Amino acid sequence: EAGVAQSPRYKIIEKRQSVAFWCNPISGHATLYWYQQILGQGPKLLIQFQNNGVVDDSQLPKDRFSAERLKGVDSTLKIQPAKLEDSAVYLCASSLGRGQGANEQFFGPGTRLTVL
Amino acid sequence: AQSVTQPDIHITVSEGASLELRCNYSYGATPYLFWYVQSPGQGLQLLLKYFSGDTLVQGIKGFEAEFKRSQSSFNLRKPSVHWSDAAEYFCAVALGYQGGKLIFGQGTELSVKP
Repeated sequence: EAGVAQSPRYKIIEKRQSVAFWCNPISGHATLYWYQQILGQGPKLLIQFQNNGVVDDSQLPKDRFSAERLKGVDSTLKIQPAKLEDSAVYLCASSLGRGQGANEQFFGPGTRLTVL
Repeated sequence: AQSVTQPDIHITVSEGASLELRCNYSYGATPYLFWYVQSPGQGLQLLLKYFSGDTLVQGIKGFEAEFKRSQSSFNLRKPSVHWSDAAEYFCAVALGYQGGKLIFGQGTELSVKP
């Protein structure tokens, strides 16, 4: 079974530029999560989708971050414009979204963003 | 508010020695608890999970964890550490509703001495 795919793996941009990350969850997983992991910290949820609807985006800085999951499968996360403090690893995860499997999340390899 | 505390930022153990990584959580309802491992440049891999039932849970790679409700703890253990276990370990709690977000601790970095 294929895991969660993310691209790109690494991205370096200058502040005030825009960047987008892509995630393809495990096939059949209804719930998709984007986490931000700053160096030396645990991941923090940015946004959670159930199919193509947003469940939780309370920690998403909506003035600069946006995310979509139009067809309920893959998702993109965008930052526009980027700030220095956005330097982090962006992790995508997915889960079945129902039953006991709803609480077991599978993570992709992440995208490491450096903002100069 | 829900939180997870991993008191040890960095631990060093000798290869073959036993290991215990501490995790305390703050959550009002019955928690769903997890331990993940992250190797450099990699995503998070699930080691084990506790949802209900037996409070001693077995995971992959020879790890186990014990849920102690009275102490709000979920410590990770391994009887004999291998050099390949060197990595960052994260404890996490899921909010009680199905598919809720994970709240992570700050992580414990494990180094293994030969």
